[in-house]
Amino acid sequence: EDQVTQSPEALRLQEGESSSLNCSYTVSGLRGLFWYRQDPGKGPEFLFTLYSAGEEKEKERLKATLTKKESFLHITAPKPEDSATYLCAVQAGGYQKVTFGTGTKLQVIP
Amino acid sequence: DTEVTQTPKHLVMGMTNKKSLKCEQHMGHRAMYWYKQKAKKPPELMFVYSYEKLSINESVPSRFSPECPNSSLLNLHLHALQPEDSALYLCASSQGTLGGEQFFGPGTRLTVL
Repeated sequence: EDQVTQSPEALRLQEGESSSLNCSYTVSGLRGLFWYRQDPGKGPEFLFTLYSAGEEKEKERLKATLTKKESFLHITAPKPEDSATYLCAVQAGGYQKVTFGTGTKLQVIP
Repeated sequence: DTEVTQTPKHLVMGMTNKKSLKCEQHMGHRAMYWYKQKAKKPPELMFVYSYEKLSINESVPSRFSPECPNSSLLNLHLHALQPEDSALYLCASSQGTLGGEQFFGPGTRLTVL
């Protein structure tokens, strides 16, 4: 069974204080690993897809990386508007279902 | 058009009511999904439609009835719900039928009294 574990559960940063969120996964035949951002009461917003170990994707202050067992979401010089819950999800090859982690709730304080 | 829309935004219903949730996408995506999300939990898959046919039902109780009238529209019919069914209901779509990145709507906040 596919498993996704995210850490930490919650993270509080000062504005400008860089950090990383972790997503550890166990899946048979990874087809894709996805990062989403979710604001309270809203639907998840797609950020990145990573397909193979060594791959990296960047968007503004966010950078996602992938190894064979985990993915990191690096946040450089965060701003208060980066506050949200960040969800990681994995998909096994040839299968439509995506398995979500429980998320990391990020709070960036001015 | 690069978004998934959902109506209504909020819904309050009694346990004997019948109501429907609606989802639309005009991105030409061939797969559409219904998720249920409780507070502080990740989205939980309920149903998947591929090319307008139901391909996955995650053992959802029959009081939830999905319908896909065409490639752009997805409905979720609700009947005789329980208070524990109160949650945020999310619709998503993806370009391919073998998954890939999913794009979510804003959700419908459902309260069952």
